[in-house]
Amino acid sequence: KAGVTQTPRYLIKTRGQQVTLSCSPISGHRSVSWYQQTPGQGLQFLFEYFSETQRNKGNFPGRFSGRQFSNSRSEMNVSTLELGDSALYLCASSLWRDTDTQYFGPGTRLTVL
Amino acid sequence: LAKTTQPISMDSYEGQEVNITCSHNNIATNDYITWYQQFPSQGPRFIIQGYKTKVTNEVASLFIPADRKSSTLSLPRVSLSDTAVYYCLVGLPGYKLSFGAGTTVTVRA
Repeated sequence: KAGVTQTPRYLIKTRGQQVTLSCSPISGHRSVSWYQQTPGQGLQFLFEYFSETQRNKGNFPGRFSGRQFSNSRSEMNVSTLELGDSALYLCASSLWRDTDTQYFGPGTRLTVL
Repeated sequence: LAKTTQPISMDSYEGQEVNITCSHNNIATNDYITWYQQFPSQGPRFIIQGYKTKVTNEVASLFIPADRKSSTLSLPRVSLSDTAVYYCLVGLPGYKLSFGAGTTVTVRA
């Protein structure tokens, strides 16, 4: 079974621009979560989508948003990019319950110049 | 979410067994204990998960004492490719995972 895939793997943007990242979960998985990882803050939870609805949300500003499609694929959008948004953005999928293990994708490395 | 404490780093040599202990004094009744491995610029990889006693898979073993206030991840006969950061997480395994600093394990030849 194929794992979680994320595109693109690397991205370079400038301040003020916006970016959209994509995540395809493991087949059959209906929950998709997004995380931001930086050297200073570690790995932090952004939000989780289930059945096209945001089910949980972390403590990030409204510039960070996401959505999930009917096939469980998910996108994350960051608007008005700031230098501090440079990070590894990770997507994780799980079947559908809180007790189901999350499996992570390889991540998208975003660099904001 | 239960807070976890694990060593910042550990050094080992190829062929040795590595044991990483994680403390989680305020673990809740419904919490699971899950370990992930992460290589640089890659997503965390699930290693093992348990609720109590001992769990073993083809990669590692997880030992959980009766009071569940700590757990130990055991990596048998490590190789250079086991050099990575290992995270101990406590909570519902699929819910808003909270990663700490992890333990950087360095395996030397």
